Amino acid sequence: QSALTQPASVSGSPGQSITISCTGNSSDIGGNSYVSWYQQHPGKAPKLMIYHVTNRPSGVSNRFSGSKSGNTASLTISGLQAEDEADYYCSSYTSRSTLFVFGTGTKVTVL
Amino acid sequence: EVQLVESGGGLVQPGGSLRLSCAASGFTFSSYAMYWVRQAPGKGLEWVSLISGTSGGTTYYADSVKGRFTISRDDSKNTLFLQMNSLRADDTAVYYCAKRGGSYSYYFDYWGQGTLVTVSS
Repeated sequence: QSALTQPASVSGSPGQSITISCTGNSSDIGGNSYVSWYQQHPGKAPKLMIYHVTNRPSGVSNRFSGSKSGNTASLTISGLQAEDEADYYCSSYTSRSTLFVFGTGTKVTVL
Repeated sequence: EVQLVESGGGLVQPGGSLRLSCAASGFTFSSYAMYWVRQAPGKGLEWVSLISGTSGGTTYYADSVKGRFTISRDDSKNTLFLQMNSLRADDTAVYYCAKRGGSYSYYFDYWGQGTLVTVSS
């Protein structure tokens, strides 16, 4: 089961906006609306940031937003803050035998 | 407050077995499907297994663990399990239990802190 493709790293200055892409295929991202995004600080458990492409759980800042076009999903962080520095993973439900696939992960650095 | 606490990790030799547990609280455990997700050192996340809610009649596994791992649950004790047999070096990872968001949801809304499994001679 191949992982979804994410850029290894993305950086930005405080206050800027950044976008992380997540590319799959028609069996996963392109075939459903079940993309989610997770934030993981070093040594910590992942935290749900976006679910079902665009939905934000209660308590997650509205600076985080999600979208999807074709086989590619995106996570945008606006008004970048120091606390946003972390690893980010996308995930999608798949129609294959392995039900879920994760992205390769993106390290976000706040300059 | 939802809490998930994993235990049972440790060092095991190749070919050995280990049983992980995940104690849940703060929600009606029996009503929710549960997952195991793992993360090899310095690597990304990998979905491992799913068990349905309400007594766990349905289970699913990643191809990489199928036939070797067994997921189960004890709703009377609010506990999730992962029995891991025929362990290999590439099973070395932090294992997280995670809760499903709800019916018709396909995401992991709460995660435990993880338990480290090391497979080495």
